[in-house]
Amino acid sequence: NAGVTQTPKFQVLKTGQSMTLQCAQDMNHEYMSWYRQDPGMGLRLIHYSVGAGITDQGEVPNGYNVSRSTTEDFPLRLLSAAPSQTSVYFCASSYEREYNEQFFGPGTRLTVL
Amino acid sequence: SQKIEQNSEALNIQEGKTATLTCNYTNYSPAYLQWYRQDPGRGPVFLLLIRENEKEKRKERLKVTFDTTLKQSLFHITASQPADSATYLCALWFTGTASKLTFGTGTRLQVTL
Repeated sequence: NAGVTQTPKFQVLKTGQSMTLQCAQDMNHEYMSWYRQDPGMGLRLIHYSVGAGITDQGEVPNGYNVSRSTTEDFPLRLLSAAPSQTSVYFCASSYEREYNEQFFGPGTRLTVL
Repeated sequence: SQKIEQNSEALNIQEGKTATLTCNYTNYSPAYLQWYRQDPGRGPVFLLLIRENEKEKRKERLKVTFDTTLKQSLFHITASQPADSATYLCALWFTGTASKLTFGTGTRLQVTL
């Protein structure tokens, strides 16, 4: 099993550009989520999904969109990138509920100029 | 709102000693408490989960305790090795429909020879 995969690993954007961060898992997990990690702030939940076709907002959803058309994939879209979105983004998945063991991807380091 | 506190200062210990990291929280006690390890440039990796009705959980050289009276979890690594050097995150999940897994900022552990 590949576990949770994320692409790209690094990305540089200009303010106002849009892009999609890809996340996929091959463990048939229902629950998937996106976090951002900033120095001194810890991991903060952006969006999450409890199954295909169901998504909801986390703690810091503004400026981001998600969709979940399949169990495996959970892409994160930045609509109009801002310097405040410079961060490291992690995708995670777990069996059924978020209080179970979370499997994290390797992360995407995003810089917005 | 819930606050999670982990010592932001790095913990430096000598190889072979027991490392003890703390995770303090305010207000309500979590139903589940997890510990993760994160190496630089990588995603967090799950280590242990402890439930509110459990006092202690062990896995090889790792031990987690959960004291709901003190609102504190302790994470112990016995016979520590340089390979244990990493940042350790605690994550809490509270009962409730709006509850989400909330991460602390982590404590960096440095084990020296």
